[in-house]
Amino acid sequence: DAKTTQPPSMDCAEGRAANLPCNHSTISGNEYVYWYRQIHSQGPQYIIHGLKNNETNEMASLIITEDRKSSTLILPHATLRDTAVYYCIGMNTGFQKLVFGTGTRLLVSP
Amino acid sequence: GAGVSQSPSNKVTEKGKDVELRCDPISGHTALYWYRQSLGQGLEFLIYFQGNSAPDKSGLPSDRFSAERTGGSVSTLTIQRTQQEDSAVYLCASSGQSNQPQHFGDGTRLSIL
Repeated sequence: DAKTTQPPSMDCAEGRAANLPCNHSTISGNEYVYWYRQIHSQGPQYIIHGLKNNETNEMASLIITEDRKSSTLILPHATLRDTAVYYCIGMNTGFQKLVFGTGTRLLVSP
Repeated sequence: GAGVSQSPSNKVTEKGKDVELRCDPISGHTALYWYRQSLGQGLEFLIYFQGNSAPDKSGLPSDRFSAERTGGSVSTLTIQRTQQEDSAVYLCASSGQSNQPQHFGDGTRLSIL
């Protein structure tokens, strides 16, 4: 799996967009970019994944650079409940043992 | 709800006792995973079931750990003769196919006294 680098922490005001960056310069051509988050005392929650194209779902948008060396997860209108640790993972499809790095601790404040 | 369900949510037991942890995956999901997460640590893979194939047990830390999946649905993780180092949150995840995202339950917090 590709090594990913994320800032250790970020702050965001409630109602604002939260833009979480991830560097994955060693990602291979068939590895997807996955995002999960973990809210305190809960299990990890799948957010979104993509290969080359930008993706959007009901939770977030994923913007992947053309060279695929980095991506940004966008929470368009952050709420207090979005406070969590966010993990970016480079991973092939198929059976994979999820391995989380240190992630980004996002704090959404009123 | 339609998510992964785990029970019990909390389990406190004495060292040396056996424990059983249960996972109900999302209906129709053929792939089921067990992980554990110690305080402040990352995910540690334990075991993986996919359909009727033999499970991948490569992550089980010792022969005190075993898991089964009956009828391709519910799974039970059993820890025999528990030790204090077994204390952790045990997480179950399922996916529709092995190439689809894994969806997690909220885990069982196991504390060994």
